[in-house]
Amino acid sequence: GESVGLHLPTLSVQEGDNSIINCAYSNSASDYFIWYKQESGKGPQFIIDIRSNMDKRQGQRVTVLLNKTVKHLSLQIAATQPGDSAVYFCAENPRGAGSYQLTFGKGTKLSVIP
Amino acid sequence: DSGVTQTPKHLITATGQRVTLRCSPRSGDLSVYWYQQSLDQGLQFLIQYYNGEERAKGNILERFSAQQFPDLHSELNLSSLELGDSALYFCASRGVDEKLFFGSGTQLSVL
Repeated sequence: GESVGLHLPTLSVQEGDNSIINCAYSNSASDYFIWYKQESGKGPQFIIDIRSNMDKRQGQRVTVLLNKTVKHLSLQIAATQPGDSAVYFCAENPRGAGSYQLTFGKGTKLSVIP
Repeated sequence: DSGVTQTPKHLITATGQRVTLRCSPRSGDLSVYWYQQSLDQGLQFLIQYYNGEERAKGNILERFSAQQFPDLHSELNLSSLELGDSALYFCASRGVDEKLFFGSGTQLSVL
């Protein structure tokens, strides 16, 4: 029979526009959150991280926002480029300091329209 | 390039067989993590080693085992393979910067 694969949410954006990818995490005890980018045939690539004592962190063209009240994480990509096309995963560290046994979200596929 | 090396890139084998996946962490990193990525389960933590010792186990089957050697490379052994074991297996290493860096993975196909 046909296997049911993981249905990924997809976000399509025009090149040059800003992208916002959202993630709901599950464990209120998680103290560390990371966004990863995965291109086809490659492993997850670290983008940006944030600790639970912060609500915003900026990198180069990327910003991560953390709302612990509603257990929500978002990744904002400014001036999205074709090279940003990939699957983006949020990950949380639910077991506290030192563990890094990350729990990954199911991912969002970002498609950039040239 | 993350600095984490995994071999082989692809592995095709039959049900019931045993395979070994190899990982070399980034230079100086003592922690190695193994993850499985499948279409239905996503990315799942399997097991962690730190400087040769097992530190934590996640959703790892009893048919699977791992070890980390004195030179810090790690091997993941998968035995009595089943069709459902077909997946991408990733190794990641973590150093003092506390960030987890992933290798390119081994694509395992069990036929």
